Amino acid sequence: AQSVTQPDIHITVSEGASLELRCNYSYGATPYLFWYVQSPGQGLQLLLKYFSGDTLVQGIKGFEAEFKRSQSSFNLRKPSVHWSDAAEYFCAVGATDKLIFGTGTRLQVFP
Amino acid sequence: DSGVTQTPKHLITATGQRVTLRCSPRSGDLSVYWYQQSLDQGLQFLIQYYNGEERAKGNILERFSAQQFPDLHSELNLSSLELGDSALYFCASSVAIQGSGYTFGSGTRLTVV
Repeated sequence: AQSVTQPDIHITVSEGASLELRCNYSYGATPYLFWYVQSPGQGLQLLLKYFSGDTLVQGIKGFEAEFKRSQSSFNLRKPSVHWSDAAEYFCAVGATDKLIFGTGTRLQVFP
Repeated sequence: DSGVTQTPKHLITATGQRVTLRCSPRSGDLSVYWYQQSLDQGLQFLIQYYNGEERAKGNILERFSAQQFPDLHSELNLSSLELGDSALYFCASSVAIQGSGYTFGSGTRLTVV
């Protein structure tokens, strides 16, 4: 079955520290992979997406993600976190007719 | 502004009532998707329309229905509302059936009291 797993429900980092949010997927074919961010009370904003080609994908707000087929992973990274990055982050895989989302990782940033 | 417009932003209604949520997709997008986000269920896919036709159904209750009109806007109808239907309802749009890029609206927060 197609699924997305985000093993970390809640992550806390200090401002300026590096960040890695984990995402593992289960999908039979070559996946379309996405990371979205949701601020409190807001909609979902696309950070980046992977369809094919270079496995290191650059996104908005200084985020990047690396697709590793052998590990079925698509982890999100940022070298230096800002307080404004505090939000909920969702990894998703694009199936034939919908997006399948993980359960999300809530990021808290301490000054 | 993502280009996907959802109205209303907030809705408070009583149990047993019926409401209609509206979504206007981004210009040029033919596919519309509806998602429900609740604390216990996370983001759940409800239904997809492509150019006026229903293409896929997810975890949509029989009390819920949707349609996409010739101008491509979509409406999600929720009836016989229960407390558990309280959630954020998102609409997303994409150009193709299998969306290579999904754009989400800001959602409608439904509160059933």
